[in-house]
Amino acid sequence: AQTVTQSQPEMSVQEAETVTLSCTYDTSESDYYLFWYKQPPSRQMILVIRQEAYKQQNATENRFSVNFQKAAKSFSLKISDSQLGDAAMYFCAYRKETSGSRLTFGEGTQLTVNP
Amino acid sequence: GAGVSQSPSNKVTEKGKDVELRCDPISGHTALYWYRQSLGQGLEFLIYFQGNSAPDKSGLPSDRFSAERTGGSVSTLTIQRTQQEDSAVYLCASSLPPGVVGNTIYFGEGSWLTVV
Repeated sequence: AQTVTQSQPEMSVQEAETVTLSCTYDTSESDYYLFWYKQPPSRQMILVIRQEAYKQQNATENRFSVNFQKAAKSFSLKISDSQLGDAAMYFCAYRKETSGSRLTFGEGTQLTVNP
Repeated sequence: GAGVSQSPSNKVTEKGKDVELRCDPISGHTALYWYRQSLGQGLEFLIYFQGNSAPDKSGLPSDRFSAERTGGSVSTLTIQRTQQEDSAVYLCASSLPPGVVGNTIYFGEGSWLTVV
């Protein structure tokens, strides 16, 4: 079974600084997707960034980028120029790309942004 | 609709009562998921529907939990004889079928269930 591990229950960063959230996963599949979701107090799960396993290039979305190390099964999220609105719970998630696939989530990292 | 819609947004029920939670997925999305999130915890998979295929019920925690999806669109999650440990946020999500390039799972805002 696939598992996703986020080893940092809480992280904090100063406004305008950079922070990296860690995620590792375990799978025997070769084709899969990885995601970072953000969950603010409103509970809405918001997709931040996605990475296809077959792509070697790391995904980037504005201030958000990932460091995808397929051999090491590592998928970290870097947030640059942190803003107060980035404060939220961040979940790493895995999904294999075959019929009947579901998202498997990590335990989450609570990010605090200090002004 | 524009997004995944869930109702009710909040529900308080007495222990032992039955509750129904509703999810209306994004139009055209054939895949529908239910997850449960207890306070301060990650998301726990409950059930998955894909088109007309038999649902994947492997995540349902007990036979008090059931879900159906009528007409391949709206889904209802039913919890019978609710217990206090059922208190959680129940999140619904939908997506295009697996294998579609660029596929992404979109979530609703959840239904917060409190059993007293």
